[in-house]
Amino acid sequence: AQSVSQHNHHVILSEAASLELGCNYSYGGTVNLFWYVQYPGQHLQLLLKYFSGDPLVKGIKGFEAEFIKSKFSFNLRKPSVQWSDTAEYFCAVNAPTGRRALTFGSGTRLQVQP
Amino acid sequence: GAGVSQSPSNKVTEKGKDVELRCDPISGHTALYWYRQSLGQGLEFLIYFQGNSAPDKSGLPSDRFSAERTGGSVSTLTIQRTQQEDSAVYLCARSGEKGTGELFFGEGSRLTVL
Repeated sequence: AQSVSQHNHHVILSEAASLELGCNYSYGGTVNLFWYVQYPGQHLQLLLKYFSGDPLVKGIKGFEAEFIKSKFSFNLRKPSVQWSDTAEYFCAVNAPTGRRALTFGSGTRLQVQP
Repeated sequence: GAGVSQSPSNKVTEKGKDVELRCDPISGHTALYWYRQSLGQGLEFLIYFQGNSAPDKSGLPSDRFSAERTGGSVSTLTIQRTQQEDSAVYLCARSGEKGTGELFFGEGSRLTVL
């Protein structure tokens, strides 16, 4: 079975600080990887995704993530955060075959202080 | 939005009562998912419908939970004899068009069991 670990539960940063949120997954086969974001009072939306190819993927709003297969990791990064990045971030994984439901991590709450 | 409408947006009920939550995705997407989001717990997969195949019910936490999907479109999640631990936000999601596992979520139904 797949599982996803997000070790940072609550992160507080000042504006312009750099961000890295950790995500590790447990699954032995090929995976698709996702980061979702949930802004306060809004629905979950996709931030970025990795299916294959270049392990460094870029998403919306200046976010990027790097897939490191040997470490089973897919960390999310942003060089300079803004107050508007305050949100909860979820890492998710699924296998391209078999059950297609995404397995989510427990989420990281990011608070950016102006 | 994400092409998924959920109702009610908020539901307060008394312990022991039954509740029904509705999900209405835009047409043309055969896969539909229900997740539960509890405070600090991330997203927990509940059930998955794919076309005419038997639903994947492996995530339902107990036999008090059931779901159906009529006509390949609207889905209803039913919780019988609600308990306080059922309090959560119940999210419905539809699949993306390319079948890669990307999901598009509704706003959710917040259930509070008193």
